[in-house]
Amino acid sequence: DGGITQSPKYLFRKEGQNVTLSCEQNLNHDAMYWYRQDPGQGLRLIYYSQIVNDFQKGDIAEGYSVSREKKESFPLTVTSAQKNPTAFYLCASSNPYSNQPQHFGDGTRLSIL
Amino acid sequence: GDSVTQMEGPVTLSEEAFLTINCTYTATGYPSLFWYVQYPGEGLQLLLKATKADDKGSNKGFEATYRKETTSFHLEKGSVQVSDSAVYFCALYSSNTGNQFYFGTGTSLTVIP
Repeated sequence: DGGITQSPKYLFRKEGQNVTLSCEQNLNHDAMYWYRQDPGQGLRLIYYSQIVNDFQKGDIAEGYSVSREKKESFPLTVTSAQKNPTAFYLCASSNPYSNQPQHFGDGTRLSIL
Repeated sequence: GDSVTQMEGPVTLSEEAFLTINCTYTATGYPSLFWYVQYPGEGLQLLLKATKADDKGSNKGFEATYRKETTSFHLEKGSVQVSDSAVYFCALYSSNTGNQFYFGTGTSLTVIP
């Protein structure tokens, strides 16, 4: 079945450490997105990519970095510069300019040790 | 810019009650509209969609009609079940906005037996 796989499901970060969240899709979608969700809150866009080797900052990109070397993969690195990283991170994908919905992974919950 | 305003929760209903969750939008052009559902600890799942004015999206007993004159896309269900307890998000996509999706803040629904 086609879908989006996020891993790991739970992740713990130590002070001063960078951690990378994985997102892989086999839907053949060109666009991929990373959102942050805090408890009881909506989604905030971190980064998005509409094509391989290109990506744009969203509303809260500070302290995060991404790469898009393959169409299927869009990993997110939470750097030590992100001082409040505890949140639920959601990856999504879609076909641009198609009016079709985004598809979401099951999320990664990141906590601070 | 484009945005979605969603009815604040939480909403608590008894089983078999009628559900309405309000959603209004602001957009340039002709957006597509979506409702997503999120169960605890999971990603967002598409519930229904409508891509043009007067379209009605429906799924699992839920319905929403794209009303251009009132810029609304209210979610309704005639008889809710305990299993409908979740967080519901209204979302908008417009190709005018750089291929981004805009989400409401989410409405938490709890259905009690």
